[in-house]
Amino acid sequence: SQQGEEDPQALSIQEGENATMNCSYKTSINNLQWYRQNSGRGLVHLILIRSNEREKHSGRLRVTLDTSKKSSSLLITASRAADTASYFCATVGSEKLVFGKGTKLTVNP
Amino acid sequence: DAGVIQSPRHEVTEMGQEVTLRCKPISGHDYLFWYRQTMMRGLELLIYFNNNVPIDDSGMPEDRFSAKMPNASFSTLKIQPSEPRDSAVYFCASSLSGLAGSGELFFGEGSRLTVL
Repeated sequence: SQQGEEDPQALSIQEGENATMNCSYKTSINNLQWYRQNSGRGLVHLILIRSNEREKHSGRLRVTLDTSKKSSSLLITASRAADTASYFCATVGSEKLVFGKGTKLTVNP
Repeated sequence: DAGVIQSPRHEVTEMGQEVTLRCKPISGHDYLFWYRQTMMRGLELLIYFNNNVPIDDSGMPEDRFSAKMPNASFSTLKIQPSEPRDSAVYFCASSLSGLAGSGELFFGEGSRLTVL
């Protein structure tokens, strides 16, 4: 399966600190996407990185992709209490988006 | 645009009853996906459509599950008969373009199904 697996499963940090979440997958991909899910809500797309890209930035988000290691990381800088949510990586091999189990991030004020 | 709209938001039913979940994708989006989310299995893709045509239904767990997209603005996911293990949050999502390129998914708020 090309399902991504996030690490850690849960992360608790203080406001202002950086949060790093990792994702590993098993097969070749076209692109990798990160999504956020607040409790009881639908998922929201954060950022997409293509297989020929190594790093991408969007505001306080930084995503890296290492296709040789089949891994990606999501860095949230200067975290805020409002960043508390679950974060999912999702891989695209064909036209399907396959999600990992997610990392539950808690940012304490 | 109002985003992807799902109904009902919550459904509680008894085992054996028929359940119908509804979805209105974002106007102009050619792709529609149904996902199921549980604590144990995470997010599972059930089926997706392109231009109202089912493309891949390999994720549909059993014949009890069926999905239709009669037109570009409406899709249903039906479970008949329902079982307690079907309890989950069901998400509908749509995409403007294919995901293999630069397409991203826009999710609805989900339908939380509880089968007693």
